[in-house]
Amino acid sequence: DAKTTQPPSMDCAEGRAANLPCNHSTISGNEYVYWYRQIHSQGPQYIIHGLKNNETNEMASLIITEDRKSSTLILPHATLRDTAVYYCIVRAADPGGSEKLVFGKGTKLTVNP
Amino acid sequence: GAVVSQHPSWVICKSGTSVKIECRSLDFQATTMFWYRQFPKQSLMLMATSNEGSKATYEQGVEKDKFLINHASLTLSTLTVTSAHPEDSSFYICSARGNDEQYFGPGTRLTVT
Repeated sequence: DAKTTQPPSMDCAEGRAANLPCNHSTISGNEYVYWYRQIHSQGPQYIIHGLKNNETNEMASLIITEDRKSSTLILPHATLRDTAVYYCIVRAADPGGSEKLVFGKGTKLTVNP
Repeated sequence: GAVVSQHPSWVICKSGTSVKIECRSLDFQATTMFWYRQFPKQSLMLMATSNEGSKATYEQGVEKDKFLINHASLTLSTLTVTSAHPEDSSFYICSARGNDEQYFGPGTRLTVT
């Protein structure tokens, strides 16, 4: 079962920041927070991940609370192409590479013109 | 980012026939590959994990004799749906672990008539 809770849907105006919350209150010390998104009828796309520090890349920023029980994915300037289902996933670090990504229901983000 | 391909992108087959889906990591070696299935308006469900040169590990409820997985090389895994039935119609997505990250293919739409 997924270890995260996300709102089922959100709306955002084009050009504004989209802030997607995720609760992971049972996260363990060695588990990372990953974000993926899935545009309709495509495979999931990696966005960002973090352990406890905030992270930023060219796609998004990830803010993780100090107690690590929740996080927020920020798309700073949402475009229509960011309309997708966003998945927040927790997963332990696994040098062997067999640790699984278990998907929850995600948040359906709709960016409106 | 790393590229994972799937072939075919869509397939229609008759009930009772078998269908093979290929998953390739194009620019990296993947010791571990994962197969997911996604029904309409639902999230991805992990079917099995395969490691190169060894037998796949199937998730609970997934019939290993029906969904045959072969991971013969570090860049290729195949999923064969044997004796397909209409209820096997779904979106099948593979994922490959490499460079400490997990990358997803574009998916294969299977329709069984």
